[in-house]
Amino acid sequence: DAKTTQPNSMESNEEEPVHLPCNHSTISGTDYIHWYRQLPSQGPEYVIHGLTSNVNNRMASLAIAEDRKSSTLILHRATLRDAAVYYCILRAILTGGGNKLTFGTGTQLKVEL
Amino acid sequence: EPEVTQTPSHQVTQMGQEVILRCVPISNHLYFYWYRQILGQKVEFLVSFYNNEISEKSEIFDDQFSVERPDGSNFTLKIRSTKLEDSAMYFCASSLTGGSYNSPLHFGNGTRLTVT
Repeated sequence: DAKTTQPNSMESNEEEPVHLPCNHSTISGTDYIHWYRQLPSQGPEYVIHGLTSNVNNRMASLAIAEDRKSSTLILHRATLRDAAVYYCILRAILTGGGNKLTFGTGTQLKVEL
Repeated sequence: EPEVTQTPSHQVTQMGQEVILRCVPISNHLYFYWYRQILGQKVEFLVSFYNNEISEKSEIFDDQFSVERPDGSNFTLKIRSTKLEDSAMYFCASSLTGGSYNSPLHFGNGTRLTVT
């Protein structure tokens, strides 16, 4: 599986934007970029995913570099509730069947008042 | 919003005992997964399940583990003879379709298994 590299931790102040980077220099053309997060004592939660174009949803935005070797998850206004471990995961397209997500260590985001 | 539910939230068992962890996936989902997370470590894939059979499993998922979808709603993970190192949080997940459509996985909040 192609690997991703994320900073171990980041800090933000409440109501400020947060940019969480992810490097994936060995990404293949069939890999989607997925982001999940895990709040304390909870299961992972889907945030967003994309292939080539930037994506927006109600939770976040995903900016994908033109060469696809890096991406950035953007939380537009961090809240205390956004304090979590954020995982950047590459997920290959398959022609059939489920395929697993492989979690790394992610980025621990701390949000302060 | 529909969610994946897991029971029990915490299970304590003695070494060598069998345990069954239960999950109710989202009702129209077709793919089912078990993951585990040992305290302070990564979330690890155990097994994926589709069309009443295992589609993929990891090295962790040895002969002591089995999965079953006994009816139209439940998805279970059985550990036949628990070991101390099986102590972990076990997460069930489901997705509408598989990788080709990239539908996200929806996770439950886990069952904490403590083996004494």
